[in-house]
Amino acid sequence: AQKVTQAQTEISVVEKEDVTLDCVYETRDTTYYLFWYKQPPSGELVFLIRRNSFDEQNEISGRYSWNFQKSTSSFNFTITASQVVDSAVYFCALSYNAGNMLTFGGGTRLMVKP
Amino acid sequence: NAGVMQNPRHLVRRRGQEARLRCSPMKGHSHVYWYRQLPEEGLKFMVYLQKENIIDESGMPKERFSAEFPKEGPSILRIQQVVRGDSAAYFCASSRPGASSYEQYFGPGTRLTVT
Repeated sequence: AQKVTQAQTEISVVEKEDVTLDCVYETRDTTYYLFWYKQPPSGELVFLIRRNSFDEQNEISGRYSWNFQKSTSSFNFTITASQVVDSAVYFCALSYNAGNMLTFGGGTRLMVKP
Repeated sequence: NAGVMQNPRHLVRRRGQEARLRCSPMKGHSHVYWYRQLPEEGLKFMVYLQKENIIDESGMPKERFSAEFPKEGPSILRIQQVVRGDSAAYFCASSRPGASSYEQYFGPGTRLTVT
């Protein structure tokens, strides 16, 4: 069975602070994919990143960076110099090679205050 | 190239009525997935369909819920005799034939409110 845990249900920071959102996953598959999605107050799901299990390189995209650690089954997401527009619910998700569904974590609500 | 379309965006039903949610996949996509997001929760997989076939319905409630994806037209998620607990956002995603789940594209969702 697959499981994704986002232990932080809510985080509040002040603008320009750095913030890290944690994601821990469980799977028995050797090949799998990890994702992060953003859900702003408008409600749609915005794809942020996909990472496959064979690629443990960290990735940086502007103010966003992701740290994939297979040894600890974690795929954490850091926002540097946060902005008010980053306020949203962020979901981590997992899929496996032979399946076709995404398993989502419970989400972390990030509030960035001016 | 239009993305995944869902309609209606908002739907209000009284207890006992039927709700029909529609999803038009992206052009060239013949695989459709439905997910439900209950208030303050993450998304949960419901069903995976290909044209005229249900491939995986392991996440569908056993009663009152059904889904179809006909040869022509959109995919329909149907909820009969709705109850307050059905109030949620329902998201549809689509992918092209042969794609893995990482190539799912999500629609904007339908927010169902049961009064």
